[in-house]
Amino acid sequence: DAGVIQSPRHEVTEMGQEVTLRCKPISGHDYLFWYRQTMMRGLELLIYFNNNVPIDDSGMPEDRFSAKMPNASFSTLKIQPSEPRDSAVYFCASSLGIQPQHFGDGTRLSIL
Amino acid sequence: EDQVTQSPEALRLQEGESSSLNCSYTVSGLRGLFWYRQDPGKGPEFLFTLYSAGEEKEKERLKATLTKKESFLHITAPKPEDSATYLCAVQEGDNTDKLIFGTGTRLQVFP
Repeated sequence: DAGVIQSPRHEVTEMGQEVTLRCKPISGHDYLFWYRQTMMRGLELLIYFNNNVPIDDSGMPEDRFSAKMPNASFSTLKIQPSEPRDSAVYFCASSLGIQPQHFGDGTRLSIL
Repeated sequence: EDQVTQSPEALRLQEGESSSLNCSYTVSGLRGLFWYRQDPGKGPEFLFTLYSAGEEKEKERLKATLTKKESFLHITAPKPEDSATYLCAVQEGDNTDKLIFGTGTRLQVFP
């Protein structure tokens, strides 16, 4: 079975550019989570959706970050404008019911 | 503030040398405690869920246990393929579906 699919796997871009990360959850899952992982802070929840509706976005660091889930099979996380401190690995996870969450392999983002 | 603390940060074991990883937590009302394994360049992979003190779960060489303040991941006779970072996460309260993750224990098992 296909797991959570994220794209791109790697992204290198210059400061100020718009970055869009994409996620396809496991078919049939009703929860979708976006996380950011850094060495200093570990894995942090940014936002999560239930049935395509954003439930809690309190982890989104700034207004530069936005996330959408237009349908049950697709979600995006956008950073505009990007800054070097946004460099991290971004994970998407999905679940049927609340737990357990199944993670994608992440997008490694580098902002120069 | 709710916290999840894992120790040690790193652990080096000889193949066959059993040990335990610790996850201590301070949350107001635990709904579940989760263990994940993460390999380099990969996303976390779910291992166990524990819901109440005294509960135990086993999978191959791994056994997870839970008390009211902490959880242990016991690794019996580890093999090199058990090398990974092990993450602990807690879900707390009745009004949230969020997980709070610890920073993990990086395990290396040498042949």
